[in-house]
Amino acid sequence: DTGVSQDPRHKITKRGQNVTFRCDPISEHNRLYWYRQTLGQGPEFLTYFQNEAQLEKSRLLSDRFSAERPKGSFSTLEIQRTEQGDSAMYLCASTRDPTGELFFGEGSRLTVL
Amino acid sequence: QQPVQSPQAVILREGEDAVINCSSSKALYSVHWYRQKHGEAPVFLMILLKGGEQKGHEKISASFNEKKQQSSLYLTASQLSYSGTYFCGTVVGIVTDSWGKFQFGAGTQVVVTP
Repeated sequence: DTGVSQDPRHKITKRGQNVTFRCDPISEHNRLYWYRQTLGQGPEFLTYFQNEAQLEKSRLLSDRFSAERPKGSFSTLEIQRTEQGDSAMYLCASTRDPTGELFFGEGSRLTVL
Repeated sequence: QQPVQSPQAVILREGEDAVINCSSSKALYSVHWYRQKHGEAPVFLMILLKGGEQKGHEKISASFNEKKQQSSLYLTASQLSYSGTYFCGTVVGIVTDSWGKFQFGAGTQVVVTP
């Protein structure tokens, strides 16, 4: 069990650029979640997957955000045309089933200048 | 849909007790509690499931009132290591193929002083 890993850990970009984050969940976990967290706030739900199927996407997200989980393994979160308001920590988590513990990665911190 | 936590912050002396509350406007299947220290990922504390089952591996207790859709986390005889931000996470609804969305409260900051 190597844990949930996220890459990159830190990303600084200029407004208008596209960024992509990757999450590798624990291998036997079929559910994968993406959250956004800003300072002093709880993790804000973005989207989640069961295997390769994206089950729900937050209405808070604009069309600039997209997430994929090809083959039900790793997942990517892409943000197009970044804005300063996108600056946050992006957390990935995985679990075997919703009655069990949610395992978080260390997060990918995005700074948009 | 986001659960509501209270209080927003609490300051304790080592050895004192505190209670953190979490409430939802929707029927809950489970409540999860996590603690996050500054600059780190949230760490699992406990799960409380509908029907009374609890799973946890810390010396921190919690309760789950299904009818009131509320949960409370009890920090007893607090230690310095209890400092951090505590989040409740909830899973609502009934079991379906698309079930299992975790949503988190805004958090309760706990500071334990010597």
